[in-house]
Amino acid sequence: QVQLQESGPGLVKPSETLSLTCAVSGYSINSGYYWGWIRQPPGKGLEWIGSVYHSGTTFYNPSLKSRVTISADTSKNQFSLKLSSVTAADTAVYYCARLRGGNPDDAFHIWGQGTMVTVSS
Amino acid sequence: DIQMTQSPSSLSASVGDRVTITCQASQDISNYLNWYQQKPGKAPKLLIYDASNLETGVPSRFSGSGSGTDFTFTISSLQPEDIATYYCQQYDNLLLTFGPGTKVDIK
Repeated sequence: QVQLQESGPGLVKPSETLSLTCAVSGYSINSGYYWGWIRQPPGKGLEWIGSVYHSGTTFYNPSLKSRVTISADTSKNQFSLKLSSVTAADTAVYYCARLRGGNPDDAFHIWGQGTMVTVSS
Repeated sequence: DIQMTQSPSSLSASVGDRVTITCQASQDISNYLNWYQQKPGKAPKLLIYDASNLETGVPSRFSGSGSGTDFTFTISSLQPEDIATYYCQQYDNLLLTFGPGTKVDIK
């Protein structure tokens, strides 16, 4: 079955760049679907960050667009998130997920377990 | 941007009760509305997609309805394992946004 696993530093300093990777197993990202990142600050709701197709096509949340880069690495069957100039407000659990249809806007039907990232000096 | 509101923000109900959560969009989103369940410390789980379609493997006590701006999520008979926060999520015009969530617990 398809599984997603986030990885990356759990602590990032303010003003630096947060970098996370989502490794996909049980499915080749080359075969289709959009893949996305969602975050959840402690005790708060969910926020979509952006999504990527294996071709490199991306869609971003306008509120984060200036700081976000999402890319796909088909050779490693993974996709990545970079969020620059982080502040304490970027502290959150970061989830990667697969969108269920072949479109960039749909439901997230397969999720990783999430990884907590804290922004602090 | 499309804003999503949910009500109530929290509720307590007894096992076996019928539970209803509403989600309202700030503009017409057709049926582009999904519902998720999130248990503490866990990733969200898709329950309903396209407003009324039950995701594979999800118990039939969960259902969704609505279109346009007003949507409803129902648990026909609340079970102890349904204790969670429920989120709606809209997808329209390549912008995905979640509602603020409804926390459900057992009375």
